[in-house]
Amino acid sequence: SQTIHQWPATLVQPVGSPLSLECTVEGTSNPNLYWYRQAAGRGLQLLFYSVGIGQISSEVPQNLSASRPQDRQFILSSKKLLLSDSGFYLCAWSIGVTPTGQPQHFGDGTRLSIL
Amino acid sequence: GQQLNQSPQSMFIQEGEDVSMNCTSSSIFNTWLWYKQDPGEGPVLLIALYKAGELTSNGRLTAQFGITRKDSFLNISASIPSDVGIYFCAGQLRDNYGQNFVFGPGTRLSVLP
Repeated sequence: SQTIHQWPATLVQPVGSPLSLECTVEGTSNPNLYWYRQAAGRGLQLLFYSVGIGQISSEVPQNLSASRPQDRQFILSSKKLLLSDSGFYLCAWSIGVTPTGQPQHFGDGTRLSIL
Repeated sequence: GQQLNQSPQSMFIQEGEDVSMNCTSSSIFNTWLWYKQDPGEGPVLLIALYKAGELTSNGRLTAQFGITRKDSFLNISASIPSDVGIYFCAGQLRDNYGQNFVFGPGTRLSVLP
């Protein structure tokens, strides 16, 4: 069966520091991968998605970036964090190319607090 | 861009009561999904719907894919305390290969003992 891992679970960083959040998926090949951000008590905001190695689509302009160095690895990064980057970051995956709908499955999230 | 509306935004119910919530959009979707999120955790898939008119159950949960493809509803029967959480609907757009899901803002459910 497929599993998704996100780490770290929580992170406290000072303003202006760099960021690297990692997500890996096991048990499937060529998944679609996604990064979302969720503000406290709010819905999910799609940040990036990827349909293959090195292929990244950005949904929202920001100081964050994403990379997919391997088929089942998705990394969210920043060179200099802002206070507004605080939130709950979720990684998700879905089955790759398919003509029918397939649901997304989420990791347990990373709670990022910027001081 | 496409948006989903969920109602109600929040609800307080007594344990044992039935719950009904819905999700609407001005756009057509070919897949509807319902997720539940517990505090501090990622959303967990409850039910996936792939055909207009489809009615699917998962234990005490029942969801339906609206005939117009622009709405979906979720019912919970005989609510229990562990039903507390945020329920999100999500739609996947037509002619899409899985990379574009639209999420609603969520319905926050509280169950009173």
